[in-house]
Amino acid sequence: AQSVTQLGSHVSVSEGALVLLRCNYSSSVPPYLFWYVQYPNQGLQLLLKYTSAATLVKGINGFEAEFKKSETSFHLTKPSAHMSDAAEYFCAVIPTGGFKTIFGAGTRLFVKA
Amino acid sequence: DTAVSQTPKYLVTQMGNDKSIKCEQNLGHDTMYWYKQDSKKFLKIMFSYNNKELIINETVPNRFSPKSPDKAHLNLHINSLELGDSAVYFCASSHATMNTEAFFGQGTRLTVV
Repeated sequence: AQSVTQLGSHVSVSEGALVLLRCNYSSSVPPYLFWYVQYPNQGLQLLLKYTSAATLVKGINGFEAEFKKSETSFHLTKPSAHMSDAAEYFCAVIPTGGFKTIFGAGTRLFVKA
Repeated sequence: DTAVSQTPKYLVTQMGNDKSIKCEQNLGHDTMYWYKQDSKKFLKIMFSYNNKELIINETVPNRFSPKSPDKAHLNLHINSLELGDSAVYFCASSHATMNTEAFFGQGTRLTVV
């Protein structure tokens, strides 16, 4: 079964530093890939999605992710962290031919002043 | 207008009780889901309905019964609540046939005491 693996359950960065959240998927055929963000006591909100149109995907709040087939990765980055970026981030996949969204375990991002 | 709305937002109840969570979406989506998020933030799909028909039924105790009166509503009824049912339950919806992202409600925090 297809799945996603998020490396690091917690990531801590200083305000203004680069944010890098890692996600790898398991599939021989590129699936649909997503990054969601969950702020405390809220539901999930879509940050960005990859649907094979372009390998570099730009999302909301300055985030972007690059799809690398050779590495089966879809890492999330932001050049400069802001305090308001502190949240839980989920990588997710819809397997090719399927429709059920499968989530990674999540990465909690801490931003230090 | 809230796209996916769940009620109630908080639910505290005693073991053995029966409770329901309601969900409605006004996005015109054809597919709705229930997810359970445990204390470690792990998201697991429970059920999915497409046009009022059950299409995903993961390994969930049969004390949990979803009901979809129409494609805009998906309710979750839980019988004989147990301590382990304490979690945040999220309703979501999507256009399943278009492999698009899921839109989430704000969640229902269920606490069984």
